[in-house]
Amino acid sequence: AQTVTQSQPEMSVQEAETVTLSCTYDTSENNYYLFWYKQPPSRQMILVIRQEAYKQQNATENRFSVNFQKAAKSFSLKISDSQLGDTAMYFCALYNNNDMRFGAGTRLTVKP
Amino acid sequence: NAGVTQTPKFHILKIGQSMTLQCTQDMNHNYMYWYRQDPGMGLKLIYYSVGAGITDKGEVPNGYNVSRSTTEDFPLRLELAAPSQTSVYFCASSPGTLAKNIQYFGAGTRLSVL
Repeated sequence: AQTVTQSQPEMSVQEAETVTLSCTYDTSENNYYLFWYKQPPSRQMILVIRQEAYKQQNATENRFSVNFQKAAKSFSLKISDSQLGDTAMYFCALYNNNDMRFGAGTRLTVKP
Repeated sequence: NAGVTQTPKFHILKIGQSMTLQCTQDMNHNYMYWYRQDPGMGLKLIYYSVGAGITDKGEVPNGYNVSRSTTEDFPLRLELAAPSQTSVYFCASSPGTLAKNIQYFGAGTRLSVL
């Protein structure tokens, strides 16, 4: 079975600073996809960033980037220049063969 | 674009009652999914469908049923509701190809079973 672990239930960061959210996973597959989703208080699930396991280059989307370490099965999310609108729950997810597994989430608070 | 639409947004159900959560998408996606999210937890996959007429179980299927008669619709049926089914339910759809397996989520249905 595939599993995803987020070891930081809550984190906070000052506005304009950088924060890194951790995620580790376990799978026996070689081809899979990793995602970070954001869930603000509105409850809507919003895709932040996506990484294909076969790509060595780390994905980047504007202020969001990942550090993908395939051998260590680690997939951390770095948010640069944090903004108040980044306050939300962040979920790491692993997808393979129609099976999507989510971590328990990290609640991020950006302080003014 | 409407995307993925879920109805109702909220519902209170009595123990033992049944109901259907509706999900429809207008993106012509082949793949559709149902998840539940318990308080303070991540989403767990209940059922999924790779196309009309094809459904399969996810991680937590017990107590639920699905059908997929059209590409657009993927209803989730709760039979004999139990308090353990109190949760927020999300429907999602995806083009399904390896290069585009991003899932697009609906706004969720908050269900309470009392």
